[in-house]
Amino acid sequence: GQSLEQPSEVTAVEGAIVQINCTYQTSGFYGLSWYQQHDGGAPTFLSYNALDGLEETGRFSSFLSRSDSYGYLLLQELQMKDSASYFCAVMDSNYQLIWGAGTKLIIKP
Amino acid sequence: EAGVVQSPRYKIIEKKQPVAFWCNPISGHNTLYWYRQNLGQGPELLIRYENEEAVDDSQLPKDRFSAERLKGVDSTLKIQPAELGDSAVYLCASSPRDREAFFGQGTRLTVV
Repeated sequence: GQSLEQPSEVTAVEGAIVQINCTYQTSGFYGLSWYQQHDGGAPTFLSYNALDGLEETGRFSSFLSRSDSYGYLLLQELQMKDSASYFCAVMDSNYQLIWGAGTKLIIKP
Repeated sequence: EAGVVQSPRYKIIEKKQPVAFWCNPISGHNTLYWYRQNLGQGPELLIRYENEEAVDDSQLPKDRFSAERLKGVDSTLKIQPAELGDSAVYLCASSPRDREAFFGQGTRLTVV
């Protein structure tokens, strides 16, 4: 079956750096996406990696290694507003978006 | 540019009653998704449209759920009859291409 694994919860301190990992097992692969979702809100798109390497967008970066079926989201200079759930999602060969269960990021002052 | 619009935001119904959700995607987005999300879980795809064609409805419980996308723009999702286990947030999303999806605020359904 198809699956994505990511930690259920991560805790970090304001101003620090945190990495959220995602490993996947899917039938085919077109790309790895990351979404942020605040409590009661809708998922919002953060980044997309189709090729190996690091993509940087402001304080957020996303990395992909296709040979390891692995990616991560890196958040720098953490702010309290970054407290949210973060989902990785893989586009498989059928253009179906397969979602992980999400990682709840808790930020402490 | 207006985002994805969904209505209603909240709905409480008794089991066995019908319910319908409406979605207006971002203009020009050919791909439309309906997802269901339970608390603490990721979104679960119910159906995906390319224009007016349902290209992936393998996860849609067809005995009670139905969906349509009128003229390849707005879409409705219906449940009839609703069951207690249908309580969830129903999310609509649209996409101009395959790499990213833009979500509406969702409809929180409570079946009592």
